[in-house]
Amino acid sequence: QPVLTQSSSASASLGSSVKLTCTLSSGHSTYIIAWHQQQPGKAPRYLMKLEGGGTYNKGSGIPDRFLGSSSGADRYLTISNLQFEDEADYYCETWDSNTRVFGGGTKLTVL
Amino acid sequence: QVQLQESGPGLVKPSGTLSLTCAVSGGSISSSRWWSWVRQSPERGLEWIGEILQSGSTSYNPSLKSRVSISLDKSKNQFSLKLTSVTAADTAVYYCARSASGPVDSWGQGTLVTVSS
Repeated sequence: QPVLTQSSSASASLGSSVKLTCTLSSGHSTYIIAWHQQQPGKAPRYLMKLEGGGTYNKGSGIPDRFLGSSSGADRYLTISNLQFEDEADYYCETWDSNTRVFGGGTKLTVL
Repeated sequence: QVQLQESGPGLVKPSGTLSLTCAVSGGSISSSRWWSWVRQSPERGLEWIGEILQSGSTSYNPSLKSRVSISLDKSKNQFSLKLTSVTAADTAVYYCARSASGPVDSWGQGTLVTVSS
């Protein structure tokens, strides 16, 4: 089954941009993933579905500041014009016919 | 927009059975493809437990498969989770979720279940 690898933490300044990475395991580089945001004390929130070619589809109400992109086995979430409310844990997810997998999450700190 | 709400006991005794229900509102449980359970603990992060298709077919995490059962009640527009022989390692926040076309795209608010005597 696929494995998703994420850096444990990232930080960036208010108003700047940050690019988070989710890496698919060998043999699974073409998989579609999803990004989720989990603010402190809240349930996860679906952000977008991201394909290997870089096409992404965002969930309802997700600001334009959230963008997706891909390169090989890497899937990226770029957040521009960072706001304090973006400080959260970000998880990637993938799935196939009979399993669903989440990455370990990246804790984003807005300085 | 579909909304999901978990309910069930917040405390379960070791070796007992954890039972949770997810009530679906804002849409029919027959209109979406997968209905999932995911749990979260500091030790394990987000862990997929399993899911049920609208047809009733199920898939489970291999690490939990021998203890898990997920069922669908279309008449009540809800689905349920049973996890048997629980230990302290099963203490977590449990989320129900929906997947209409691949990824989880709706989450419940989560419910904390503690396994303790």
